[in-house]
Amino acid sequence: QVQLVDSGGGLVKPGGSLRLSCAASGFTFSDYYMTWIRQAPGKGLEWISYISTSGRAIYYADSVRGRFTISRDNAKNSLYLQMNSLRAEDTAVYYCARFRYGGTFYFDFWGQGTLVTVSS
Amino acid sequence: QSALTQPASVSGSPGQSITISCTGTSSDVGGYNYVSWYQQHPGKAPKLIIYDVSQRLSGASNRFSGSKSGNTASLTISGLQAEDEADYYCSSYTSSSTFVLFGGGTKLTVL
Repeated sequence: QVQLVDSGGGLVKPGGSLRLSCAASGFTFSDYYMTWIRQAPGKGLEWISYISTSGRAIYYADSVRGRFTISRDNAKNSLYLQMNSLRAEDTAVYYCARFRYGGTFYFDFWGQGTLVTVSS
Repeated sequence: QSALTQPASVSGSPGQSITISCTGTSSDVGGYNYVSWYQQHPGKAPKLIIYDVSQRLSGASNRFSGSKSGNTASLTISGLQAEDEADYYCSSYTSSSTFVLFGGGTKLTVL
């Protein structure tokens, strides 16, 4: 069965960096777009970024463009999010999700989430 | 661009039907059949229940259905059960640079 396991969250000071990982199993990872979505405590969902199957097509939300970098390693069935210049407003649970895109548009499987707290 | 508009809360009794609305614009909900709905229980990850306006994921309960009229999409849950109590989010593709919009979420209470 499809499984996504998020990891790498933690407490970081403003201006600091963190790298999130998402380990995928139960499907052919290299055949699917992937995405990161976050949820601030007690708030709604916010889409962050997507990456194409090869990694050649990448897109970011304005709120993170220039600070966050999405990447993937198809040989390791893994998705990553490098987060730099972190701000208090980046505090959230971060979810990786499989992204169905191209004649359709939805996020069909999600990781369990990893909590990132930005605080001094 | 603003999030899609959902009611903050809805409620219903077991066995009843409820509908949650999701209002956008012609640049998102109204312009494309790319609306999806997600159910989130407290402390859990969101779970897809409806995609492309009205398609149910294979194996999903047929008590959930989706529709769209103009710039408003709707999720209907029939035969309400206690386990349906959760937060529900709609999402849509948008032709703006924002690319993806989510609704603010609707808390469903089963009385």
